[in-house]
Amino acid sequence: KQEVTQIPAALSVPEGENLVLNCSFTDSAIYNLQWFRQDPGKGLTSLLLIQSSQREQTSGRLNASLDKSSGRSTLYIAASQPGDSATYLCAAETSGSRLTFGEGTQLTVNP
Amino acid sequence: KAGVTQTPRYLIKTRGQQVTLSCSPISGHRSVSWYQQTPGQGLQFLFEYFSETQRNKGNFPGRFSGRQFSNSRSEMNVSTLELGDSALYLCASSLQTNNEQFFGPGTRLTVL
Repeated sequence: KQEVTQIPAALSVPEGENLVLNCSFTDSAIYNLQWFRQDPGKGLTSLLLIQSSQREQTSGRLNASLDKSSGRSTLYIAASQPGDSATYLCAAETSGSRLTFGEGTQLTVNP
Repeated sequence: KAGVTQTPRYLIKTRGQQVTLSCSPISGHRSVSWYQQTPGQGLQFLFEYFSETQRNKGNFPGRFSGRQFSNSRSEMNVSTLELGDSALYLCASSLQTNNEQFFGPGTRLTVL
């Protein structure tokens, strides 16, 4: 059974700081790994998708890496802004579009 | 391109009742998945439909069921509601399996 863990559970940083969010998964037989953000009471917004054959993906100030052999993924956010404040979730896809989610990292960026 | 839409956005029901939630995927997407989000359990997979067939099912009781129509729209039904069914129900669509999934805004269900 796939289990996904995210560290830290919460993070508070000053504006402008670069930061790293960590995600680990127990079963390396994944199709892909996806990062999402969720604002309070809202749905999930897809940030980045890394296919199992890829090592990283970049979108603007975001960079996600994937190391299947060690069961780890990281999300790097450069030059953080107050608008980046949200809960960040990673999810591993195992079979048939089934995503297993971590508990999330609640990020607060202070002006 | 319109995103994933879910209706209704909010629902209040009482124990024992049943409820039907609706999800319209992004145009052209054939895979629709449903998730339940609660503070205690986080996000949990309910089931996935592709071309009107349920291909994958999570560990939920039979009170939770779904279906998909020929236009890829999907409905989820919960019968004999319990207090613990109070949650945010999220629908996601993708072109096909192993593709990026896009989520709707969710339906907030409160069971009294």
